[in-house]
Amino acid sequence: DAGVIQSPRHEVTEMGQEVTLRCKPISGHDYLFWYRQTMMRGLELLIYFNNNVPIDDSGMPEDRFSAKMPNASFSTLKIQPSEPRDSAVYFCASRLGGRQGGGYTFGSGTRLTVV
Amino acid sequence: KNQVEQSPQSLIILEGKNCTLQCNYTVSPFSNLRWYKQDTGRGPVSLTIMTFSENTKSNGRYTATLDADTKQSSLHITASQLSDSASYICVVSADDMRFGAGTRLTVKP
Repeated sequence: DAGVIQSPRHEVTEMGQEVTLRCKPISGHDYLFWYRQTMMRGLELLIYFNNNVPIDDSGMPEDRFSAKMPNASFSTLKIQPSEPRDSAVYFCASRLGGRQGGGYTFGSGTRLTVV
Repeated sequence: KNQVEQSPQSLIILEGKNCTLQCNYTVSPFSNLRWYKQDTGRGPVSLTIMTFSENTKSNGRYTATLDADTKQSSLHITASQLSDSASYICVVSADDMRFGAGTRLTVKP
């Protein structure tokens, strides 16, 4: 298995533009998580899905952020319009089984820079 | 206030030396505690996972300890190598996952 695959690895965009981050979880994993990491705040959970259904999106900072999981092998995180304060590394992670047990596998992340 | 506090914030050691990283938490109820290693530009990779009843767990040169009474965990790295240079993140799971800010370890030759 190639692990959790995220694209793009790096994204530089201008303020106000729409940004779409993509994630392919490990095949068979039924939980998918989106995290954001900054120097100031560390890793923050944005949203997670179970069997393609959004379970908890309380970490999504505001309405400019949205996430979808149209099928078990693909998820997107969209920011529209983007702002400089959205600059961070966005990680996708997946796991099998309940949310508390087992291990998470993280993707390599997407480094987003909004100028 | 973050419910998972890690110390030190950063650490520099010489290759071959041992070191210990600390994690104190106030998360309750407690389900499990994980230590992750995150190399620069990469996603976190799990090193150990411990449940309430476990006191210690090893993964090669990495040994994690847990005292659920005092809500403290440590990660001990033995005979450090240059490749150990990374951020080490403590994650405590209760109803959700709480991340520590991490300890940035630099191993110098």
